[in-house]
Amino acid sequence: SQQGEEDPQALSIQEGENATMNCSYKTSINNLQWYRQNSGRGLVHLILIRSNEREKHSGRLRVTLDTSKKSSSLLITASRAADTASYFCAHSGNTPLVFGKGTRLSVIA
Amino acid sequence: SAVISQKPSRDICQRGTSLTIQCQVDSQVTMMFWYRQQPGQSLTLIATANQGSEATYESGFVIDKFPISRPNLTFSTLTVSNMSPEDSSIYLCSVERGSYGYTFGSGTRLTVV
Repeated sequence: SQQGEEDPQALSIQEGENATMNCSYKTSINNLQWYRQNSGRGLVHLILIRSNEREKHSGRLRVTLDTSKKSSSLLITASRAADTASYFCAHSGNTPLVFGKGTRLSVIA
Repeated sequence: SAVISQKPSRDICQRGTSLTIQCQVDSQVTMMFWYRQQPGQSLTLIATANQGSEATYESGFVIDKFPISRPNLTFSTLTVSNMSPEDSSIYLCSVERGSYGYTFGSGTRLTVV
């Protein structure tokens, strides 16, 4: 399977804290993407980082990519209760998007 | 950016029956993708739907079970045939938007009883 791994599987933090989620993949990629899913609904695209990029920011989100280790991390700073959701990494190469197993984030107010 | 209208949003179906899920995109796209998300799991690609040709199915998925139509560049359907409780999942369609990643429909939550 080309499916990547994510850790932790579940993360519970207090509002205001930072949340870090990690993702590993197995194949060569063109880009790596992070998505958010609220309560089993449709996915929302958060950020895309290309294989030649090492770090990218978008608002309170910071994504890093280490292609030598085939890994990526998503950092959410100053978390809010509304950030509670499942977060998935997904990579794209010569195949359509392949998703990791996801991290369930709970932010407690 | 593309907007996808997916329906139905949810359904409860009897085993042995079939359900057709529709996705309408507000712009023309070459490829549409169909995913399945089993309870508590991640997304798994079922097939890629190209307009004017047969869909390309991933390992473990077959056309007889998940027939797909792609009559034009803005519309696609996925049918879940001869359903069993194991087919209970969320089904999602999506399109690629280049640098903006993929846009997903809101999903169809299927329960088979």
